[in-house]
Amino acid sequence: NAGVTQTPKFQVLKTGQSMTLQCAQDMNHNSMYWYRQDPGMGLRLIYYSASEGTTDKGEVPNGYNVSRLNKREFSLRLESAAPSQTSVYFCASTGTGKGETQYFGPGTRLLVL
Amino acid sequence: GQQVMQIPQYQHVQEGEDFTTYCNSSTTLSNIQWYKQRPGGHPVFLIQLVKSGEVKKQKRLTFQFGEAKKNSSLHITATQTTDVGTYFCAGPVGTYKYIFGTGTRLKVLA
Repeated sequence: NAGVTQTPKFQVLKTGQSMTLQCAQDMNHNSMYWYRQDPGMGLRLIYYSASEGTTDKGEVPNGYNVSRLNKREFSLRLESAAPSQTSVYFCASTGTGKGETQYFGPGTRLLVL
Repeated sequence: GQQVMQIPQYQHVQEGEDFTTYCNSSTTLSNIQWYKQRPGGHPVFLIQLVKSGEVKKQKRLTFQFGEAKKNSSLHITATQTTDVGTYFCAGPVGTYKYIFGTGTRLKVLA
C-alpha cells in the first residue's frame, strides 16, 4: 500500500496562474483533508471531505476550491494563485474522521512569485 | 474560536538531556493526538490519549493527558539525535475536523 500520495512534489507559479494539487489514498478511508503549513503556524485546515460526495470549509478556505472525485481522490485547486499562498500543502485521510489517526501524504511545496 | 497552543516554540538540547513540550487547548478535548514531523517530512502519528489523566509511554517518550482534558504534555527522556523534528498535538473539533497545535521544534546537539 502506498498510503497517501500527492502530486506534484514541488511547484513554482506566477501570480494569477492556476493549478490543481492531487491527492489519493489507497486505505479505503472515508474522510480526507487539505492542510497548509507555514513557518511558526502549525497546520491549518483548508477544506475537508467527511465522506465521498461531501466537502466543507476549514479554517482558511479563501482562494481555494476542492473536489472529492471519488472515495480515493481529493483535489485542491488554486484558481488565481497569490504570493500569500506560498506554503507546504499536506493531504491527509482517516478511516471515519471521528477522532481517528490521520495519515499524511508527503506534501507539495508551492512557491508563488 | 478554539485554539491550541504549544510551548515552547523551539527547544535546543544537548544529546542526553530531557525535553518536554506542553499543549494547551482553549476548550475541552475528547481526545488528543501527538504527531512528529522530521525536517522536510510530513507529520507522522505517535499516539492518541482519550481518558482524563491518562499516561502512556513509548520507550523514552511519555505522554500525559490532563485531568480537565484541556492540556497534554510529551516528555522525552535522554534525547537522541533521532528525536530531532517538530512535535504537534492535535484534537478533534466537532465530528470530523481537527485542530493542530502550533508545534515545538526540537533540535538535539550531539
